[in-house]
Amino acid sequence: DSGVTQTPKHLITATGQRVTLRCSPRSGDLSVYWYQQSLDQGLQFLIQYYNGEERAKGNILERFSAQQFPDLHSELNLSSLELGDSALYFCASSVSGISYGYTFGSGTRLTVV
Amino acid sequence: AQKITQTQPGMFVQEKEAVTLDCTYDTSDQSYGLFWYKQPSSGEMIFLIYQGSYDEQNATEGRYSLNFQKARKSANLVISASQLGDSAMYFCAMREAGGYQKVTFGTGTKLQVIP
Repeated sequence: DSGVTQTPKHLITATGQRVTLRCSPRSGDLSVYWYQQSLDQGLQFLIQYYNGEERAKGNILERFSAQQFPDLHSELNLSSLELGDSALYFCASSVSGISYGYTFGSGTRLTVV
Repeated sequence: AQKITQTQPGMFVQEKEAVTLDCTYDTSDQSYGLFWYKQPSSGEMIFLIYQGSYDEQNATEGRYSLNFQKARKSANLVISASQLGDSAMYFCAMREAGGYQKVTFGTGTKLQVIP
């Protein structure tokens, strides 16, 4: 157990639907990052939060949104889902400092049918 | 320009042999951290090894070592005595001191260990 909890682990939904992915960071980590990984692809950075505030945005579609709550858990909302949104969505958390890498959750595997 | 470059999309290695996975990076920061992650077919991302930009010695963690050549901006991962369980995707990553210290990942190298 990495300490980063992602739910659900698997999600199957239809096109046009909306889903919410949840992430609880490792205890003490203030930063949360969301990544998308399509089949056999690299990690695409979506968005970063630090202590409740958005810090950086990557290639996140307008149909996607996220937030980090006061208890530091984060949610990624995906709406108007398309087949191409099928992917593994990772949440990672970290403390500040270049000596520290990310701790990843186990991911949510989203399948849009 | 890409900050992390992994030029080997896929590699094969014989079991018990050593293998080197290449990684070059680009940064103007003097302080940065370099990381390698392993992603087996089950999907989870596993931290393997860390190297700081000011570290004079190459990092080692068990069978993993990082061949750090600062002047060439390379941070190659060496896996000794490969095992079948080493078959996975491997990602090189860098965390710079500037900005919001976001970690940048390479595109990955898929390693297959042959019995």
